[in-house]
Amino acid sequence: QKEVEQDPGPLSVPEGAIVSLNCTYSNSAFQYFMWYRQYSRKGPELLMYTYSSGNKEDGRFTAQVDKSSKYISLFIRDSQPSDSATYLCAMIPNMGGFKTIFGAGTRLFVKA
Amino acid sequence: EADIYQTPRYLVIGTGKKITLECSQTMGHDKMYWYQQDPGMELHLIHYSYGVNSTEKGDLSSESTVSRIRTEHFPLTLESARPSHTSQYLCASSEFGTSSYEQYFGPGTRLTVT
Repeated sequence: QKEVEQDPGPLSVPEGAIVSLNCTYSNSAFQYFMWYRQYSRKGPELLMYTYSSGNKEDGRFTAQVDKSSKYISLFIRDSQPSDSATYLCAMIPNMGGFKTIFGAGTRLFVKA
Repeated sequence: EADIYQTPRYLVIGTGKKITLECSQTMGHDKMYWYQQDPGMELHLIHYSYGVNSTEKGDLSSESTVSRIRTEHFPLTLESARPSHTSQYLCASSEFGTSSYEQYFGPGTRLTVT
């Protein structure tokens, strides 16, 4: 069983839609949860980071962590064509750890 | 934009050739990583380094080697390329300490071995 499961999509939505991206994980030791965005032919870049449970909001993006369910989500409001990319969830057990576990990524297409 | 560079961006090479993928960063980060990324698959850690003269193998079995002689430079070498090495290779770096959760990635090298 993979430590992190992420639906690869693709997910296609119209411009302006609310997008929900999700990951589940099995290791209860994970404490730090990240979302990376990867455009075609580019490396991933950090979008948001959350420590432990709870919500974090940054502009049109909201990250949620539910540690009791081992489930994390990224919501994108008022989606734009420029949001079309692959979104990878990632997590680590502690700040000193070297090993980040990545999901396989969900491909998102936002149609104008 | 992250100051981490990879060359070449694309490489097509024949079986048995020796290749070196270059990675450099100008952020002074101590931690550096090499990942392999295939379509629809997770990033797999193949090598990492905590600093100069520190190198470790990651989870994914790899026939590659790395070196870390300078903080900013972390090249990956394949002594004898095989078609199974065809993949996207991503280099990344991060700080030690409270910001170490954030990794900065290079643009990747797309390697094709024929």
